[in-house]
Amino acid sequence: SAVISQKPSRDICQRGTSLTIQCQVDSQVTMMFWYRQQPGQSLTLIATANQGSEATYESGFVIDKFPISRPNLTFSTLTVSNMSPEDSSIYLCSVTTGVYGYTFGSGTRLTVV
Amino acid sequence: KNEVEQSPQNLTAQEGEFITINCSYSVGISALHWLQQHPGGGIVSLFMLSSGKKKHGRLIATINIQEKHSSLHITASHPRDSAVYICAAGDLGAQKLVFGQGTRLTINP
Repeated sequence: SAVISQKPSRDICQRGTSLTIQCQVDSQVTMMFWYRQQPGQSLTLIATANQGSEATYESGFVIDKFPISRPNLTFSTLTVSNMSPEDSSIYLCSVTTGVYGYTFGSGTRLTVV
Repeated sequence: KNEVEQSPQNLTAQEGEFITINCSYSVGISALHWLQQHPGGGIVSLFMLSSGKKKHGRLIATINIQEKHSSLHITASHPRDSAVYICAAGDLGAQKLVFGQGTRLTINP
């Protein structure tokens, strides 16, 4: 199955700033998924990123707040913009591998102060 | 009501005990996934099930499609099994996962 390198693993950021999270996959994949996990909660899908097209955002998430890039089939970035303490969460990327299988990144633990 | 429900939410056991975590779902699924999340936040896929039963070492996962229910069992539990276990349903047709709320498992030595 695919291996994902996700960076940074954690960060503490000032409110009002932005953070870009990167995911590098060791093989070409069509779809990449970005999730948020707020403290004590389960994962929520932010958006699905396909190479060569705009990301598809889930209800409650907008491109201005969470812009996503997908320049090729092995790489994607998620930016958390104009951060507030409510954005403090774990952010994870994921790809589908094989038939219905999923591989996850190691997560980015973000704290906004 | 959540589309994927797990029980229990928290489970504490002694080393060596047999552990069962349950998952019920209401969505039509392409597959049912069991995931393990460690304190750092990273997630590891344990199983992907569409029918029957799978076994990896001390971990066993079963699914009953008719009853829309799955279980994760851990035999001879060990403190290193302490983690959050998450059940996720692969939504039929949408190619995305619907997650349960997770079960926090603590195994004491």
